[in-house]
Amino acid sequence: GAVVSQHPSRVICKSGTSVKIECRSLDFQATTMFWYRQFPKQSLMLMATSNEGSKATYEQGVEKDKFLINHASLTLSTLTVTSAHPEDSSFYICSAPDQKETQYFGPGTRLLVL
Amino acid sequence: GENVEQHPSTLSVQEGDSAVIKCTYSDSASNYFPWYKQELGKRPQLIIDIRSNVGEKKDQRIAVTLNKTAKHFSLHITETQPEDSAVYFCAASTGDMRFGAGTRLTVKP
Repeated sequence: GAVVSQHPSRVICKSGTSVKIECRSLDFQATTMFWYRQFPKQSLMLMATSNEGSKATYEQGVEKDKFLINHASLTLSTLTVTSAHPEDSSFYICSAPDQKETQYFGPGTRLLVL
Repeated sequence: GENVEQHPSTLSVQEGDSAVIKCTYSDSASNYFPWYKQELGKRPQLIIDIRSNVGEKKDQRIAVTLNKTAKHFSLHITETQPEDSAVYFCAASTGDMRFGAGTRLTVKP
């Protein structure tokens, strides 16, 4: 099946710094990608929809100025957590749908903000 | 927007028994209903999906049923094995996907 990669897999940063997470579809093109956040023992919560060539669509309650999304190409979307704080510590997962709209998930990025 | 509810939150069965997880959704426009299995710290893995023009789909020990009128769909796992132990998520999609809260399935040997 299709493959989606995510980098980095794990990151530890100091409070106030910014962290960039990359999501790549390796063998297919994705005009849309999705970013989720998952807290321990909770479900995946959709944060935003990344659209190639246009602005991302954010879910209610998600600060677009804090979580910057850039869909640079048909195979790459980036999520930048700006001025990260301890409450931003979470598991961030991206997904990309193939032509049949089957979602393929990246391996996730575990962010720890100290 | 879409709201997906999932029950039960935890489920413990004996090896060999069947397990059933149920989900309801609110948006009648949803037309794609996947089920994911997630092991601790790993990405969700698609185990089966169903689209709105189909009522039931089966893949070996796993089956999913969909009732569009009632807006609910269910996952059935037969002959459960210890390796089936994981968290299972249902989802409903109109394009962007909404997940249920998850069900932690434990299969006791």
